Amino acid sequence: AQTVTQSQPEMSVQEAETVTLSCTYDTSENNYYLFWYKQPPSRQMILVIRQEAYKQQNATENRFSVNFQKAAKSFSLKISDSQLGDTAMYFCAFMKRAGNMLTFGGGTRLMVKP
Amino acid sequence: AAGVIQSPRHLIKEKRETATLKCYPIPRHDTVYWYQQGPGQDPQFLISFYEKMQSDKGSIPDRFSAQQFSDYHSELNMSSLELGDSALYFCASSFTSGRSTDTQYFGPGTRLTVL
Repeated sequence: AQTVTQSQPEMSVQEAETVTLSCTYDTSENNYYLFWYKQPPSRQMILVIRQEAYKQQNATENRFSVNFQKAAKSFSLKISDSQLGDTAMYFCAFMKRAGNMLTFGGGTRLMVKP
Repeated sequence: AAGVIQSPRHLIKEKRETATLKCYPIPRHDTVYWYQQGPGQDPQFLISFYEKMQSDKGSIPDRFSAQQFSDYHSELNMSSLELGDSALYFCASSFTSGRSTDTQYFGPGTRLTVL
């Protein structure tokens, strides 16, 4: 079974600054995907970024980038130039490549302050 | 772009009643997933369907059942509702090719309140 751990229940950052959210996971799989989903107050689950484990290059989507360390089983999310709209709960999630279910971490609540 | 559609968006039921939640996946997506998110919790996987067949099963109570229809929409049927079933229920969809499953995209959720 896979487990995903987010050790930071809450974080805050000033608008326009950079923040990094941590995520570690445990698995015996070699092929898998990792995701960051954002859940704003509307409770919608929005995909932020995806990383395929076989790719060494870290994924980047505009202001969002990841630091994927496969050996350390670490998958952190960096948000640059934070905006007020980034205020949300952020979930790290794991999925086996040939699997179905997403396994989520407990979430990190991020507050962006003006 | 078309997204996952869920109905109803809000549902209030009494204990021991039944509820049916519906999910319409993104066009051309062949895999549907159901998740339950309790207050202050992360989403928990319930069940999934690929090409109308159950493909994986998580922590879904025996009181719940689900199916995927020929048009790929899915329904989650919940019977003998309990107070603890109050939660946000998400449907997600993806496209599965060979042994690789693509990214799951989530619907807006159905908020179920059991009184």
